[in-house]
Amino acid sequence: DVKVTQSSRYLVKRTGEKVFLECVQDMDHENMFWYRQDPGLGLRLIYFSYDVKMKEKGDIPEGYSVSREKKERFSLILESASTNQTSMYLCASSLAGTGANVLTFGAGSRLTVL
Amino acid sequence: AQKVTQAQTEISVVEKEDVTLDCVYETRDTTYYLFWYKQPPSGELVFLIRRNSFDEQNEISGRYSWNFQKSTSSFNFTITASQVVDSAVYFCALSTQGGSEKLVFGKGTKLTVNP
Repeated sequence: DVKVTQSSRYLVKRTGEKVFLECVQDMDHENMFWYRQDPGLGLRLIYFSYDVKMKEKGDIPEGYSVSREKKERFSLILESASTNQTSMYLCASSLAGTGANVLTFGAGSRLTVL
Repeated sequence: AQKVTQAQTEISVVEKEDVTLDCVYETRDTTYYLFWYKQPPSGELVFLIRRNSFDEQNEISGRYSWNFQKSTSSFNFTITASQVVDSAVYFCALSTQGGSEKLVFGKGTKLTVNP
């Protein structure tokens, strides 16, 4: 069964800590995404990667960075966590294409910043 | 700019009722793709359907059906004879040709089906 796996379902961190959210896919997909989900706001794109070491900012990149050293792994980094980054983070992957390909999502990582 | 509007924030129905989830989209592109995803309480978004802008045929899959109307920029989703297992948050999303599969999501509609 093909999968997108997010390493942590629940994390609790303190303000100012550096936070790593890891995502691994086993489908040999070129594209990988990080979305943030908040009540009443839906899903918003943070960062997108279309190839190893390639990245593109999404709609809300401030306060985040990403790393893609290997095709199967896409990490989201919060350099200095803040309480307004408390949220559900969803990783997704897809084949490269012209917009038609389906995204496969992980189960999400719920981050609480105290 | 692309935009997806799901005006219904929450809907509550009793089992076996039919329910329609509305989705209105905005784009200037002539080639685009519309999606519906389901997010059950477990949290993982599950793909339901994809439609491209050149295919306005309605689609039925079991109890699920989708009505795509370009004239009103809508892509509505109907569940017939709803069941408790249909309880979830449903998202409508849009991507455009050349947009590298970056989806723009609506804010979601939370559907609760009561026994």
